[in-house]
Amino acid sequence: SAVISQKPSRDICQRGTSLTIQCQVDSQVTMMFWYRQQPGQSLTLIATANQGSEATYESGFVIDKFPISRPNLTFSTLTVSNMSPEDSSIYLCSVDKGGRETQYFGPGTRLLVL
Amino acid sequence: KQEVTQIPAALSVPEGENLVLNCSFTDSAIYNLQWFRQDPGKGLTSLLLIQSSQREQTSGRLNASLDKSSGRSTLYIAASQPGDSATYLCAVRPTGFQKLVFGTGTRLLVSP
Repeated sequence: SAVISQKPSRDICQRGTSLTIQCQVDSQVTMMFWYRQQPGQSLTLIATANQGSEATYESGFVIDKFPISRPNLTFSTLTVSNMSPEDSSIYLCSVDKGGRETQYFGPGTRLLVL
Repeated sequence: KQEVTQIPAALSVPEGENLVLNCSFTDSAIYNLQWFRQDPGKGLTSLLLIQSSQREQTSGRLNASLDKSSGRSTLYIAASQPGDSATYLCAVRPTGFQKLVFGTGTRLLVSP
């Protein structure tokens, strides 16, 4: 299994500002994933982050809006830049242990943009 | 493009009932399927993982089945309890991809 922590757990931000979300895993993993869950919706993948390489973004998500860092095998950050109320969501970090097996999720970061 | 749908969107049952949650997917080319539970304001907890070669998986009162050819999975919850109240999500991992494609979720309420 994997134990994943995220910081902050929640935040209220003003439009136009940026927020960086941290994700820490208790073991080394190759791939880390960032998902977004908008109010009342299911989860949508933002990007996949491998250590030592650029993140791979899904259609509709761009690096300028959601820059991601992956400095080592246990840590990643997601920044939500130039926020607007439409960015109000839960942002979840996820890891894949053992290659295409059970995927584990962090507790999420609840973001409200005013 | 893989699409995942869950029916019903919401379900309310009295305690003790057995219930079935449904998940359907449009492309049968999947590597595996995973059922999750999400409590209000919380992250996701993995319940069961079924590989594409498997027909079912069981964990306690939970049983998940997979019919890949018809694009369907069911999650069976026996003797439901109020503590089972949560949103249940199914997600498929398309063959050749690392990411999961999530369903729309079923919000379950079990009343005492």
